[in-house]
Amino acid sequence: DTGVSQNPRHKITKRGQNVTFRCDPISEHNRLYWYRQTLGQGPEFLTYFQNEAQLEKSRLLSDRFSAERPKGSFSTLEIQRTEQGDSAMYLCASSHGRAGQDTQYFGPGTRLTVL
Amino acid sequence: AQSVAQPEDQVNVAEGNPLTVKCTYSVSGNPYLFWYVQYPNRGLQFLLKYITGDNLVKGSYGFEAEFNKSQTSFHLKKPSALVSDSALYFCAVRAFSGYALNFGKGTSLLVTP
Repeated sequence: DTGVSQNPRHKITKRGQNVTFRCDPISEHNRLYWYRQTLGQGPEFLTYFQNEAQLEKSRLLSDRFSAERPKGSFSTLEIQRTEQGDSAMYLCASSHGRAGQDTQYFGPGTRLTVL
Repeated sequence: AQSVAQPEDQVNVAEGNPLTVKCTYSVSGNPYLFWYVQYPNRGLQFLLKYITGDNLVKGSYGFEAEFNKSQTSFHLKKPSALVSDSALYFCAVRAFSGYALNFGKGTSLLVTP
């Protein structure tokens, strides 16, 4: 399978705990994106990497959220001191970055439930 | 700022009939427009996109979309609906110079036998 993969698929945690999600993009894709989707809504952009550089962050990304892409391959999204409002589906996408080929392909998502 | 509106929460259509899922957008400059489909408990699957060129774009699974600049619309269409097309459909826009996709809230398509 050469698509975007995300782990874990589901995470249940207690309020106040830290959680970390991993995203493995399609190989050769140098752009990586994180989105958050809550029930009944479309995905909302969180942050974007080109290679290892984090180039754009949404205002939705509070200081409890941090994302990294250390070697320009996989990425992690960490949420510290989780709150019930963080419960959502976290989606990762990747794209090639070349003109005309910048379609974002999405992974299956990580569903976070904060109790 | 860029935004997308999907005016219908749900569209119901009988199998074999044509379907249309509506989308209007707002963006500064030339838009990149996308349609994605989401099945239950799964990520988004890319259907088609408009970048430039022909206003009628053909995509996966027999879907097509028509870009109308004057009406700022990008409606998704299919000539003959299948029960298996039942899913959640999202329209998204990206500014030419941007990276982030702005999604609509989605339209649930139900195709009945």
